[in-house]
Amino acid sequence: SQQGEEDPQALSIQEGENATMNCSYKTSINNLQWYRQNSGRGLVHLILIRSNEREKHSGRLRVTLDTSKKSSSLLITASRAADTASYFCATPRRDTGRRALTFGSGTRLQVQP
Amino acid sequence: DGGITQSPKYLFRKEGQNVTLSCEQNLNHDAMYWYRQDPGQGLRLIYYSQIVNDFQKGDIAEGYSVSREKKESFPLTVTSAQKNPTAFYLCASSTSSGGDYNEQFFGPGTRLTVL
Repeated sequence: SQQGEEDPQALSIQEGENATMNCSYKTSINNLQWYRQNSGRGLVHLILIRSNEREKHSGRLRVTLDTSKKSSSLLITASRAADTASYFCATPRRDTGRRALTFGSGTRLQVQP
Repeated sequence: DGGITQSPKYLFRKEGQNVTLSCEQNLNHDAMYWYRQDPGQGLRLIYYSQIVNDFQKGDIAEGYSVSREKKESFPLTVTSAQKNPTAFYLCASSTSSGGDYNEQFFGPGTRLTVL
């Protein structure tokens, strides 16, 4: 079942602008992860935020987590054309002992040079 | 280099054929996973394995089979019972710390097309 749902489904911005993607989930979690996928490629892990954290940074990435609203956001600052990709949030599945992940349908980001 | 590999990159299957997708990792990870991705969609779990000789069905296991005879390998067979197998297949692996399974490492994927 799809637990995480990203919003918007697609986003087009100019190079240098910030990009914000949102994710909502349904059940309680111990962590939430963001992944990136270039067209036709495998996914790459970007960042993991634990349920007791509210914000986390990694380079130009900033992730927030609001467990009361069951939502997370991914902010990419000063975007580059190379950031063009699909971005997915994922949460551990309790029915698999938190081993497997449930992925949302993703946000397709297009950064125009 | 440590990593996870999948082969082949592209695979074509005729109606009624079984085909096997390879997945190998040298990361010494205990857990391995198979996901299916359809165009413009997220990933759906087919099977996962947390230890050698053990595996569990995911959400869409019908028409698929797996084996886990070695820690490094987790091949997926798409059988003729899978009626709509055309998709992008992704293999992943992960390890745990303190009981929590953390980030997953993905292979480059295999694109399967039914002719």
